[in-house]
Amino acid sequence: GQGVEQPDNLMSVEGTFARVNCTYSTSGFNGLSWYQQREGHAPVFLSYVVLDGLKDSGHFSTFLSRSNGYSYLLLTELQIKDSASYLCAVRDGGYKVVFGSGTRLLVSP
Amino acid sequence: EAGVTQSPRYAVLQEGQAVSFWCDPISGHDTLYWYQQPRDQGPQLLVYFRDEAVIDNSQLPSDRFSAVRPKGTNSTLKIQSAKQGDTATYLCASSFELGEREQYFGPGTRLTVL
Repeated sequence: GQGVEQPDNLMSVEGTFARVNCTYSTSGFNGLSWYQQREGHAPVFLSYVVLDGLKDSGHFSTFLSRSNGYSYLLLTELQIKDSASYLCAVRDGGYKVVFGSGTRLLVSP
Repeated sequence: EAGVTQSPRYAVLQEGQAVSFWCDPISGHDTLYWYQQPRDQGPQLLVYFRDEAVIDNSQLPSDRFSAVRPKGTNSTLKIQSAKQGDTATYLCASSFELGEREQYFGPGTRLTVL
């Protein structure tokens, strides 16, 4: 079956960095997106990757390895307001989108 | 540009009651998605449309759930005879076209079934 796996929780410290991991197994692959979701709010798009390698977008960077079914979202120079859930979403060969359960990031002072 | 709108924002039902959720996607977006998001879980795709056509409804519990998008614009998701296990937030999202990398989400409808 298809699945997208993420760790439930992650803690880090303001001013440092956090890496949110995502592993997936899908029938085909047509891209992977990352979303941020704050408590009680809808997901907001952050980044999209479809090719292997690291994509640097400043505060957020994303890495993809299609052969390993693995991606990560890297947040640098963390701020308290980065505390939120981060969702990994994989588009399979039929363009169906499968979301992971999300990783809740807590940034402490 | 107006975002995706949904109504109602909240609904509280007794088991066995019916409820309908309404979604107005961003103008010009041909693809519309309905997701169920239980508390502390990620969104789970229920059904998605391209214009008025259902592309995939394999995850929609067909005995009690139904979804339509008759004119390829607004959409309605209906639950007949709700169960406590249906308690979740129901999110609607749209994208410019099928395969578009970004989905735009509405604020969701938080459903509680007692």
